[in-house]
Amino acid sequence: SQTIHQWPATLVQPVGSPLSLECTVEGTSNPNLYWYRQAAGRGLQLLFYSVGIGQISSEVPQNLSASRPQDRQFILSSKKLLLSDSGFYLCAWNGGGQQPQHFGDGTRLSIL
Amino acid sequence: QKEVEQNSGPLSVPEGAIASLNCTYSDRVSQSFFWYRQYSGKSPELIMSIYSNGDKEDGRFTAQLNKASQYVSLLIRDSQPSDSATYLCAVTGNDYKLSFGAGTTVTVRA
Repeated sequence: SQTIHQWPATLVQPVGSPLSLECTVEGTSNPNLYWYRQAAGRGLQLLFYSVGIGQISSEVPQNLSASRPQDRQFILSSKKLLLSDSGFYLCAWNGGGQQPQHFGDGTRLSIL
Repeated sequence: QKEVEQNSGPLSVPEGAIASLNCTYSDRVSQSFFWYRQYSGKSPELIMSIYSNGDKEDGRFTAQLNKASQYVSLLIRDSQPSDSATYLCAVTGNDYKLSFGAGTTVTVRA
């Protein structure tokens, strides 16, 4: 069966520091991969999605970036974090088309 | 951008009652519809998928879809305290992307 791993679970970072969140999927090949952010008490905002290695689509202009160096690895990065980057970051995958997305456990990011 | 609206809640129901959650969407070409359950502090978990008009039942959950009215609902029968969570409606169209509603928080009173 397929599983999705996301780490770290929680992260506290100072303003202006860099960020790297990693997500990996097991048990499937060529998944579609997604990064979402959920602010406290809010819905999910799609940040990036990828349909293949090196293919990244950005949904929201901001100081975050994403990369997909391997088929089942998706990385969310920032060179300099802002206070507004705080939130719950979720990675998700699906097999493409209209299939449902499945989420990792998420990373709770706090910026000080 | 697809818009997805959910009844604002919070919704409080007694144990054993039916919880009814509603969702409307703006994009007429939307094709797939999902309900996710999200416990406080946790990630969303898929509980129902529905792709065609009508009802789909899975255990105590029933999803109902009416594409003409651009409306999808979720019924939770025999509500249990473990059903207390936020329920997210999600819709996808001709692209790869899901649009989520803001969620409805359900509290089941013992």
